[in-house]
Amino acid sequence: NAGVTQTPKFQVLKTGQSMTLQCAQDMNHNSMYWYRQDPGMGLRLIYYSASEGTTDKGEVPNGYNVSRLNKREFSLRLESAAPSQTSVYFCASSQTSYDGYEQYFGPGTRLTVT
Amino acid sequence: AQRVTQPEKLLSVFKGAPVELKCNYSYSGSPELFWYVQYSRQRLQLLLRHISRESIKGFTADLNKGETSFHLKKPFAQEEDSAMYYCALKETSGSRLTFGEGTQLTVNP
Repeated sequence: NAGVTQTPKFQVLKTGQSMTLQCAQDMNHNSMYWYRQDPGMGLRLIYYSASEGTTDKGEVPNGYNVSRLNKREFSLRLESAAPSQTSVYFCASSQTSYDGYEQYFGPGTRLTVT
Repeated sequence: AQRVTQPEKLLSVFKGAPVELKCNYSYSGSPELFWYVQYSRQRLQLLLRHISRESIKGFTADLNKGETSFHLKKPFAQEEDSAMYYCALKETSGSRLTFGEGTQLTVNP
């Protein structure tokens, strides 16, 4: 199993450009998440999808949109990138098993907006 | 709303010394607490859950509801423990995690 995969790994955008970050998981998890990681601020939830067909705002949703394309895929779109969106973006999925609850993370996308 | 605080952004210890990474939380219900770790150039991964009450890689963490804390401890730090550590809280219902700001641990030789 590949787990959680993200594309691209790196991206540089100019202010005002748009782009979509892709995320997929092959673990048959219902819930998926998008976070941004900034120094000194930890991981902050942008959007999440508790199940296929549903999406909800997290802590910092402004400037982003998401699509839960199917159970496997959850994409994050920046319609008009701003320098404040320079960050590392992580996708995750989660399950609750016999051992308990766990979120599984992708490798991250490092985005720079100039 | 729930909140997780890690008061130390940076923590540096010598190999073989004890280490404690602090985590405090605020939540009105009964939370689940976790520690996640991110080694250099690797993805974030679960280190331990409070409900498991287990020791992973020599680390333990006890949930203290009276002090609303979930500090991570290891009696003898190793160089390979150098990483970013995040404390996280999950509400009683739902699947969202709230993360703390993170503590960068450096274990010096």
